[in-house]
Amino acid sequence: GESVGLHLPTLSVQEGDNSIINCAYSNSASDYFIWYKQESGKGPQFIIDIRSNMDKRQGQRVTVLLNKTVKHLSLQIAATQPGDSAVYFCAESLSGGYNKLIFGAGTRLAVHP
Amino acid sequence: EAGVVQSPRYKIIEKKQPVAFWCNPISGHNTLYWYRQNLGQGPELLIRYENEEAVDDSQLPKDRFSAERLKGVDSTLKIQPAELGDSAVYLCASSRRTGGDGELFFGEGSRLTVL
Repeated sequence: GESVGLHLPTLSVQEGDNSIINCAYSNSASDYFIWYKQESGKGPQFIIDIRSNMDKRQGQRVTVLLNKTVKHLSLQIAATQPGDSAVYFCAESLSGGYNKLIFGAGTRLAVHP
Repeated sequence: EAGVVQSPRYKIIEKKQPVAFWCNPISGHNTLYWYRQNLGQGPELLIRYENEEAVDDSQLPKDRFSAERLKGVDSTLKIQPAELGDSAVYLCASSRRTGGDGELFFGEGSRLTVL
């Protein structure tokens, strides 16, 4: 399949390790944040979201942390698997919903056996 | 349930030629989005429809881009004439609800190369 991006920052991890992907968002007024996973040749897929009144939210093997003070978002993936290899994007919203999401630049996660 | 379907998956044209992309959203989804994704970047919104109405086209380059969503279901995005800088992946997404409330489901995209 085609590559989503050729010059993205890349995080390389061993299978079974935990991964942390970071994102700096741009607008201090953003009140809703989403992490997306995009595999090669596919569209972005929702992973987990968080609202600005929270600083942590957990899903299945994933945790999102929000630090509004420094406008920083992180995605933690526990026990990373080869199927987690993809490009990960954070997105922010000023409207509390999906009207006009602003996507970050993306990070490529490469999982090695 | 079938996902968002887009066609063509790939298109190569010469500059100044026209091109059109088609999107069939998930059945029952009222809101439809077109995004453009340049290589190595995140998607950027071009236009958002609620049913058949374009409620946000502020980022659509209207001199060469047009879109329609007849009958509030399928949508077409057209570029005429295409320029070299239009090379990108054009993503369609849909959500069940209107008003920005409702998870987005993306199609696989249409990759445009302008030579």
